Amino acid sequence: AQRVTQPEKLLSVFKGAPVELKCNYSYSGSPELFWYVQYSRQRLQLLLRHISRESIKGFTADLNKGETSFHLKKPFAQEEDSAMYYCALSGGGGSNYKLTFGKGTLLTVNP
Amino acid sequence: ETGVTQSPTHLIKTRGQQVTLRCSSQSGHNTVSWYQQALGQGPQFIFQYYREEENGRGNFPPRFSGLQFPNYSSELNVNALELDDSALYLCASSLAAAGAYGYTFGSGTRLTVV
Repeated sequence: AQRVTQPEKLLSVFKGAPVELKCNYSYSGSPELFWYVQYSRQRLQLLLRHISRESIKGFTADLNKGETSFHLKKPFAQEEDSAMYYCALSGGGGSNYKLTFGKGTLLTVNP
Repeated sequence: ETGVTQSPTHLIKTRGQQVTLRCSSQSGHNTVSWYQQALGQGPQFIFQYYREEENGRGNFPPRFSGLQFPNYSSELNVNALELDDSALYLCASSLAAAGAYGYTFGSGTRLTVV
């Protein structure tokens, strides 16, 4: 079974402070990990994916297979980063590539 | 039109009724997935359709069913509605070749069952 845990429901930081949104997963094979973001009144959209090892809007995430984690980090938070963030996992096998989502973390960046 | 569009945006139904939600996939996408997002929860996979056939299903009862049409638009049907079916229903289209990397989500239909 695959499971994604985001331990923090709410996270509040000040502008310019570092931010880390935690994500832990459970999966027996080699998972594909993603971070999705939902800004106020907007649809769910892909922020980044582990296989690309990219930085989007200053955010990075490293897959740690030993700790089964995929934490999202940004060194200097901006007010426009305030949004709901979901960590998601795909088993990647066969033609069914469903996403298993965590419950999400609501990030608030205060001025 | 590009992007994924869902209709209606909001819906109120009575317990026991049936409902049909619609989704128009992004141009060129041949796979559609449906997710249920209850309040305070992350989206939960219902099922996926590829070439008009279901090719994956989550932990949802048979009263949740779907259709995908040749133009890749899709429907989600729910029979015998229960109060716990109240949620935001998301449609996501993708290209099969892109795997999990190519999801484009719609804005969702908010279903309230009273």
